[in-house]
Amino acid sequence: QKEVEQDPGPLSVPEGAIVSLNCTYSNSAFQYFMWYRQYSRKGPELLMYTYSSGNKEDGRFTAQVDKSSKYISLFIRDSQPSDSATYLCAMKITGNQFYFGTGTSLTVIP
Amino acid sequence: GAVVSQHPSWVICKSGTSVKIECRSLDFQATTMFWYRQFPKQSLMLMATSNEGSKATYEQGVEKDKFLINHASLTLSTLTVTSAHPEDSSFYICSASPGRGPTRQLNTEAFFGQGTRLTVV
Repeated sequence: QKEVEQDPGPLSVPEGAIVSLNCTYSNSAFQYFMWYRQYSRKGPELLMYTYSSGNKEDGRFTAQVDKSSKYISLFIRDSQPSDSATYLCAMKITGNQFYFGTGTSLTVIP
Repeated sequence: GAVVSQHPSWVICKSGTSVKIECRSLDFQATTMFWYRQFPKQSLMLMATSNEGSKATYEQGVEKDKFLINHASLTLSTLTVTSAHPEDSSFYICSASPGRGPTRQLNTEAFFGQGTRLTVV
C-alpha cells in the first residue's frame, strides 16, 4: 500500500464550479499536510499547508485535514480556467522527508 | 514565498554525453536540497537528498555514479547526469526548504524549482 493515495483523474469541471480534491494516507504519524499546484512543464508551487487537523482558508482555496479518517481535501470555489493544472498533495512527519500523492489533473472549462 | 531557481529549463543532449542541472535558492540558505524525477502523469520520485558540504544521500535504486550531486554552497546544488541515455529522458525537479526561520519555528514548506526537461537523443 502506498503511503499516500490520490485519484489521478482527470477531473473536468465547468467554470465557476466547486472543485473537491482528496488524498488518503496510511501513516498516522503525518503531521504536516500540503497542497501543490503544478502547471504543465513547471515545478510544483505551494498552495496551502496545514499542521495537524482542521481547516485553513486562503481566498478561493480551503484545505481540510481529518486525521481521524486519514483524509485531506482541497476545495476550490468559483473555479477558473487558470486553475487548470495538476494538484499534488504532500505530507510529512517532521524533517524534510515529503510523501507525495500522484497528483490529480484538473481542467476547468470556460 | 521563497524562490528556487533551476537552470536550464530544458536541454537536449546526445547519448553518451553529460548534462549538468543547477538549483539555486535565491533568497534563503538551504542546507538541504532535494532532487526529484517525474515521469509523465506520475508523481515526484525522490532521487537524492543533497547536503551542503557533505555527500548526497541517494534513494534505493538510484545510481550515485550516474547522477552526481554536488552541494557546494548554501544556495547551490547541481545534478550531473553522466553518460546520458535515452531512458534518462525525464523531468528533473529540485526543491529546498528554508529550514528554521528567524523565530526558530520550523518552516515546513518545500519550494520547488521550475524543473528541467531532459531529452537524450
